[in-house]
Amino acid sequence: DVKVTQSSRYLVKRTGEKVFLECVQDMDHENMFWYRQDPGLGLRLIYFSYDVKMKEKGDIPEGYSVSREKKERFSLILESASTNQTSMYLCASSLYGSSGANVLTFGAGSRLTVL
Amino acid sequence: DQQVKQNSPSLSVQEGRISILNCDYTNSMFDYFLWYKKYPAEGPTFLISISSIKDKNEDGRFTVFLNKSAKHLSLHIVPSQPGDSAVYFCAARQPQGAQKLVFGQGTRLTINP
Repeated sequence: DVKVTQSSRYLVKRTGEKVFLECVQDMDHENMFWYRQDPGLGLRLIYFSYDVKMKEKGDIPEGYSVSREKKERFSLILESASTNQTSMYLCASSLYGSSGANVLTFGAGSRLTVL
Repeated sequence: DQQVKQNSPSLSVQEGRISILNCDYTNSMFDYFLWYKKYPAEGPTFLISISSIKDKNEDGRFTVFLNKSAKHLSLHIVPSQPGDSAVYFCAARQPQGAQKLVFGQGTRLTINP
């Protein structure tokens, strides 16, 4: 069964802390994505990557950075966590250049609370 | 600028009846539209998709309709079952590059016994 694994399901951090959210996929997908989900706002794209060491800003990249050193791993970094970054973070992956619907496979999510 | 909108935050339907979830979009360049279903504490899972060149796609109890002139799509679930209670997200795909998806705000569907 193909999987996207997010290592931390629940995290509680303090304002100003550096936070790492890790995501690993075992499907050999080129594309990887980080979204955040907030009530009433749906899923919003933070960053995505279509190849190792490549990254592109999504719709809400401010306050975040990413790292993709290996094809299977995509990390989201909060350099200095703030309370408005309290959210559910969802990692996803997909095949590049799909001729079909290019379905995203999501991880289970990481619930981050910043105090 | 919300390119994909789901204007109904919630919907309540009786078991066995039809559930209709709606979605509107603004960008005519989207080439695929997808529906995802999300249970609490889980990631979204893919449900059904439709190409922009089609007007209907059916998969079992689920049918998606696309009206390009109105920039509107809908998901029909017939008959509705208690296990269908979840949050449903509409998404639209941008065809360039990594083909990223733009999501709507979601609609919470509750199926009442």
